[in-house]
Amino acid sequence: SQQGEEDPQALSIQEGENATMNCSYKTSINNLQWYRQNSGRGLVHLILIRSNEREKHSGRLRVTLDTSKKSSSLLITASRAADTASYFCATDGGSRLTFGEGTQLTVNP
Amino acid sequence: KAGVTQTPRYLIKTRGQQVTLSCSPISGHRSVSWYQQTPGQGLQFLFEYFSETQRNKGNFPGRFSGRQFSNSRSEMNVSTLELGDSALYLCASSLDQPQETQYFGPGTRLLVL
Repeated sequence: SQQGEEDPQALSIQEGENATMNCSYKTSINNLQWYRQNSGRGLVHLILIRSNEREKHSGRLRVTLDTSKKSSSLLITASRAADTASYFCATDGGSRLTFGEGTQLTVNP
Repeated sequence: KAGVTQTPRYLIKTRGQQVTLSCSPISGHRSVSWYQQTPGQGLQFLFEYFSETQRNKGNFPGRFSGRQFSNSRSEMNVSTLELGDSALYLCASSLDQPQETQYFGPGTRLLVL
């Protein structure tokens, strides 16, 4: 099974609202990453948070990591229609990245 | 720097045929990973190459193989295609370790009829 699991599977919001996606994982990690994928295209790296970090910001993105709960969250503030995409968390269990199943975010104008 | 490129972008094959997909990583990146993405299984790791050596392999049958050249370009081959091989095949490169930030190509969409 996948190392990371995102929740919810799908999220629909209005432009300007905030979107929160969660990721849970099973084994210890060195880092956790979030990626975005626009429909049927390659993934784009958003942010990497290391296991000794609790929170990280990049523009409108805020990522938190709770290693005791083996979970992470991605917050997108003031969402835009262009944020419509699938969002994946990826963990570095072992010598590879393992991706979750993704959250499909739809931002309605 | 140019991004990761993949060729071809689209392919249609029939069952039993074989296919070769190509990936050119970002200049200076030595690690290349391949993934298969399907609606039912999500993103599945195929294999990772570094310095012309397969360093890691996912849980796929031997019909899936790959190689890496001295310039870090990589190819993957699927022999005896099955309908279930229809998928988006993604290549990603990173500097040295696949656990670092990966940079993805646009993918090759394979349809097996």
